[in-house]
Amino acid sequence: GENVEQHPSTLSVQEGDSAVIKCTYSDSASNYFPWYKQELGKRPQLIIDIRSNVGEKKDQRIAVTLNKTAKHFSLHITETQPEDSAVYFCAASMGSGGGADGLTFGKGTHLIIQP
Amino acid sequence: DGGITQSPKYLFRKEGQNVTLSCEQNLNHDAMYWYRQDPGQGLRLIYYSQIVNDFQKGDIAEGYSVSREKKESFPLTVTSAQKNPTAFYLCASCLGYGEKLFFGSGTQLSVL
Repeated sequence: GENVEQHPSTLSVQEGDSAVIKCTYSDSASNYFPWYKQELGKRPQLIIDIRSNVGEKKDQRIAVTLNKTAKHFSLHITETQPEDSAVYFCAASMGSGGGADGLTFGKGTHLIIQP
Repeated sequence: DGGITQSPKYLFRKEGQNVTLSCEQNLNHDAMYWYRQDPGQGLRLIYYSQIVNDFQKGDIAEGYSVSREKKESFPLTVTSAQKNPTAFYLCASCLGYGEKLFFGSGTQLSVL
């Protein structure tokens, strides 16, 4: 089955700086890569996703890049703000979404924004 | 809020007891999922169902059971065979193949 590795487990950055979280996946058949943000005690919320037919996608301060050859993808957050503090999960799926056998998640990155 | 409702928010289980976690959605989604979340472990798939009256085991199905008698409902039973049930349980759903996954607000299960 699919295996997703996520690094780092904890990331502390100064407010206003950029943050980068990296994930690798094992199965070359995976074709959908979402990122979820989870605040303490709350549900994960989808913040951005990318499909295997594109290499990069942006949404305001958030961007995701995908390197299919190397089987890794990254989340980039620019101009970080206190409300960006949360746990971020990457995931991969062969079903181009959640509607096949579900998503395989990384173990999460706790992002801390220092004032 | 999000159309996926989980209850209860907190649940306590005694030794040898089975407990059932509720998950209801009004989004008309075909597919539903149960994930278990442990600190530092990410989310792990327990069971999933792509259609009524059908479900499949995920990566950590031992000690759990599910049913899918209605499209809107996908309850999870944590049986006495699950020796380490303390975790945060998340239900999710999506419209179908190629669609995005949405989560409920979760149930925190603890052992008394």
